[in-house]
Amino acid sequence: ILNVEQSPQSLHVQEGDSTNFTCSFPSSNFYALHWYRWETAKSPEALFVMTLNGDEKKKGRISATLNTKEGYSYLYIKGSQPEDSATYLCASSLMDTGRRALTFGSGTRLQVQP
Amino acid sequence: DAMVIQNPRYQVTQFGKPVTLSCSQTLNHNVMYWYQQKSSQAPKLLFHYYDKDFNNEADTPDNFQSRRPNTSFCFLDIRSPGLGDAAMYLCATSRGRRQDSYEQYFGPGTRLTVT
Repeated sequence: ILNVEQSPQSLHVQEGDSTNFTCSFPSSNFYALHWYRWETAKSPEALFVMTLNGDEKKKGRISATLNTKEGYSYLYIKGSQPEDSATYLCASSLMDTGRRALTFGSGTRLQVQP
Repeated sequence: DAMVIQNPRYQVTQFGKPVTLSCSQTLNHNVMYWYQQKSSQAPKLLFHYYDKDFNNEADTPDNFQSRRPNTSFCFLDIRSPGLGDAAMYLCATSRGRRQDSYEQYFGPGTRLTVT
């Protein structure tokens, strides 16, 4: 059984604060780690897909790192804005015939106060 | 814009009354997935199609079925909905190629209420 855990469950920050959250996943048989942003009433939007240990990816003010040996990934948001308010989901897939299938965490719900 | 479309966005059905949720895609992707997300929980994969090849997750109840008549469309059929089947149902697609790391593209979901 593949368990993906995210923390914290929810987070309230002020506009301009920088923040980060964690995704942990079993490191054995790892293939890829995905981060999604899901705004209310919209489709989950892919942020990053990472496969290599030590990967760092950046999109604007958002960045992510990956440690496959210890089984965790961090998502960072620099200078949070109200439009960053969303649920951030991570998901992992395994290096076997089921690698198309993603196992999701339950998400971190971020609220940015103006 | 190429996208994944789900209809309807909100569906209300009665206990035991069959219901079908629909998903279409203009991305021409090989793989289509159905996920169930109950309140504040992780989205859970129910099944996926690689082209016409159906892949059921081991713990998906028999009450849930799926059809993929062509590349563009995929349906989720719930034969006898129970109160516990109330959830958000997400459809997703991917190219299915390793070099894409199987990145998935999601629709906005259908929220199912069972009365």
